[in-house]
Amino acid sequence: DSGVTQTPKHLITATGQRVTLRCSPRSGDLSVYWYQQSLDQGLQFLIQYYNGEERAKGNILERFSAQQFPDLHSELNLSSLELGDSALYFCASSPGSAGYNEQFFGPGTRLTVL
Amino acid sequence: KNEVEQSPQNLTAQEGEFITINCSYSVGISALHWLQQHPGGGIVSLFMLSSGKKKHGRLIATINIQEKHSSLHITASHPRDSAVYICAGTSNTDKLIFGTGTRLQVFP
Repeated sequence: DSGVTQTPKHLITATGQRVTLRCSPRSGDLSVYWYQQSLDQGLQFLIQYYNGEERAKGNILERFSAQQFPDLHSELNLSSLELGDSALYFCASSPGSAGYNEQFFGPGTRLTVL
Repeated sequence: KNEVEQSPQNLTAQEGEFITINCSYSVGISALHWLQQHPGGGIVSLFMLSSGKKKHGRLIATINIQEKHSSLHITASHPRDSAVYICAGTSNTDKLIFGTGTRLQVFP
């Protein structure tokens, strides 16, 4: 158990809908990272927050947004969902802001868009 | 061409064999991560290294900065080592760039 929690574990929804994925980092970790793992693209970095502020941005679509709250949990919002958004979404946390810190991964949320 | 390349893509071994998975990268990185993903999907960080060698139990990771190459070795492999092993580099903008993974199956 990494100490990182993600909810929900599974999510099934329809095209055009909007969903919110939630992540709680390990106690004491200030950074939260979001990743997408799809069958054809592998793992891709989406976005990083550090202590409430956006720190780094990867291949995140404009239909996706994220935020980190004062209690350090983070939410990833996916809107106008398309079939191709079906994937595993992982969050990870680390103590510091730099990417060379070890990251601890949550169990993931499996999103299926029908 | 991917910025982080792994080989082989698939690997099968008999229990007890010594296993090597390779990772090459073409971009500047500040650290190299080795991750393990089990069939259930969960990801575990195995190593993070920026130079030299690290060892944890039967796992050894090495990195050669000049050659932009890292290896993950598993000694005395066991069926429970069956998983996908992913290397990832931390870019100079602090983003993780992932390899495509190596699927390892160890048979008894």
